[in-house]
Amino acid sequence: AQSVTQLGSHVSVSEGALVLLRCNYSSSVPPYLFWYVQYPNQGLQLLLKYTSAATLVKGINGFEAEFKKSETSFHLTKPSAHMSDAAEYFCAVSRSSNTGKLIFGQGTTLQVKP
Amino acid sequence: ETGVTQSPTHLIKTRGQQVTLRCSSQSGHNTVSWYQQALGQGPQFIFQYYREEENGRGNFPPRFSGLQFPNYSSELNVNALELDDSALYLCASSLDADTNTEAFFGQGTRLTVV
Repeated sequence: AQSVTQLGSHVSVSEGALVLLRCNYSSSVPPYLFWYVQYPNQGLQLLLKYTSAATLVKGINGFEAEFKKSETSFHLTKPSAHMSDAAEYFCAVSRSSNTGKLIFGQGTTLQVKP
Repeated sequence: ETGVTQSPTHLIKTRGQQVTLRCSSQSGHNTVSWYQQALGQGPQFIFQYYREEENGRGNFPPRFSGLQFPNYSSELNVNALELDDSALYLCASSLDADTNTEAFFGQGTRLTVV
């Protein structure tokens, strides 16, 4: 069965610092991988997705993620954090191109300190 | 905004009651997926509807049921509500299941069972 593990339920960074949110997946087949962001009292917004093209995926708002098959990881990074990046971030996996059937991780809350 | 609208935004029900949640998909989308997001958790897949037919179901009991209408809007019905059903319910719409198109999420319905 597929699963997603997000390491660290809370991450705190200073404004301008590097953001690194970790995600590991388990999958018996090449997965489709996603990162979503959720602001308070809102739904989920897609940041980026990996679908077996380039291993380095660039998304919105300056975020990017690298697919590393050998490490079964898909960590999310941003070179310089902004206050507006404070939110909940979810890594998700799908076993097929059906992007409506997702398995989500537990989420990581990103706090950005001034 | 994604064009996916959910109603109502908040709802309080008593244990044992029944509830219906509604989702209007984005224009042109024929696939709706429903998720349950308990407090502090990632969303969990309930089921998906594609062209008015159920197209996959997660690990939820039969008292969770759904419907999709000819205009592709959808309902989620939950019977015999339990306290653990308290959660944010999200719907996501996409164009054609299994085509790697982005799923857009609504803002959710916050259900509280007392």
